[in-house]
Amino acid sequence: SYELTQPPSVSVSPGQTARITCSGDALPKNYAYWYQQKSGQSPVLVIYEDSKRPPRIPERFSGSSSGTTVTLTISGAQEEDEADYYCYSTDINDDYVVFGGGTKLTVL
Amino acid sequence: EAQLVESGGALVKPGGSLRLSCAASGFNFKNAWMSWVRQAPGKGLEWVARFKSISDGGKIDYAAPVKGRFTISRDDSENMLYLQMNSLRTEDTAVYFCTTLSLYWGQGTLVTVSS
Repeated sequence: SYELTQPPSVSVSPGQTARITCSGDALPKNYAYWYQQKSGQSPVLVIYEDSKRPPRIPERFSGSSSGTTVTLTISGAQEEDEADYYCYSTDINDDYVVFGGGTKLTVL
Repeated sequence: EAQLVESGGALVKPGGSLRLSCAASGFNFKNAWMSWVRQAPGKGLEWVARFKSISDGGKIDYAAPVKGRFTISRDDSENMLYLQMNSLRTEDTAVYFCTTLSLYWGQGTLVTVSS
């Protein structure tokens, strides 16, 4: 079955740049999406179609793609950005939706 | 404002059945690809099932762990999404979210499978 691989955790100091990667064989063909989930809350979309930012998401959130890896970048991370981040995409035939295992971002 | 509201979560015994509902409002539901996503306690997000819009073919897909046990359905006239869950197992215990897998997510409904 198709898998997306994320690092379990990333830690940065406030004001630093946080980068979270997501790897999968079908990513050159299919878009990736990124969600932020804070404890006890529903996920919030922060990046769609690899690099587009939804309304009301701060400009410090950006996305990029290179080959089989997509990256969520938080430039000048703030303590309020502490959360779990998940990428999602589909398999090569768009028959199966897959989430990455999630990355816990710590900002302190 | 777009809204998704799930209901139907409960405590059920292994082998039992449950039907989840999701009421949608504030966006064009009939053109939306709708999914159920679950999250076991302390775990990550897991996609469960997807129902593409009828105008895009109405294809239904399931995750391997639920295929043959769960059935997703939709009523575009009522803006409702459903998940019929049969032969429930303890590992199905999770918060179940209704979502467009884009901007719109519900608050989730808790399903607990335990004897």
